[in-house]
Amino acid sequence: AQTVTQSQPEMSVQEAETVTLSCTYDTSESDYYLFWYKQPPSRQMILVIRQEAYKQQNATENRFSVNFQKAAKSFSLKISDSQLGDAAMYFCAYRSVDFGNEKLTFGTGTRLTIIP
Amino acid sequence: DVKVTQSSRYLVKRTGEKVFLECVQDMDHENMFWYRQDPGLGLRLIYFSYDVKMKEKGDIPEGYSVSREKKERFSLILESASTNQTSMYLCASRALAAYNEQFFGPGTRLTVL
Repeated sequence: AQTVTQSQPEMSVQEAETVTLSCTYDTSESDYYLFWYKQPPSRQMILVIRQEAYKQQNATENRFSVNFQKAAKSFSLKISDSQLGDAAMYFCAYRSVDFGNEKLTFGTGTRLTIIP
Repeated sequence: DVKVTQSSRYLVKRTGEKVFLECVQDMDHENMFWYRQDPGLGLRLIYFSYDVKMKEKGDIPEGYSVSREKKERFSLILESASTNQTSMYLCASRALAAYNEQFFGPGTRLTVL
């Protein structure tokens, strides 16, 4: 069974600075998808960024980028130029590509605080 | 925009009551999911459904059941609510292709007294 580990329960960063959230996972599969989701306080969870394991290139979405290290089974999220609206719980998640194994396996989350 | 709605934002029930949590999505997604979210534990999958009348157990199905009679609606049922089912419940839906993201509802915070 796959597991996802987020070792930083809480992080804080000064506004406009850069922060990196860590995520490691364990799997025996060679193809899979990895996601970072954001859950702002009292608001719906939304997708931040996704990575397909067979793609070497790290995904980027505006100020958000990942450092995907397949051999190390590491999938960290970098937020550049942090803004107050980035304050949220961030969840790393794993999904198999296999039909019939549709579920997302989530980490325990990292609460990010932005310091003005 | 995809919209996933849940019937209640907050719900308070008593031990032993039968509880229904409803979820509706408007994008004709095949897959729907129910998670519970607890501090320090992340999100854990209770049940999911591939299609109408189809359901699969997730990681923590004990004490729960589900119903999917129509494609857009996925219900979570607590047959006899207990205090350890006090939690945030999140519904999600997804189109079939593997790379697709899950879209989440706003959540229902259930308190069982």
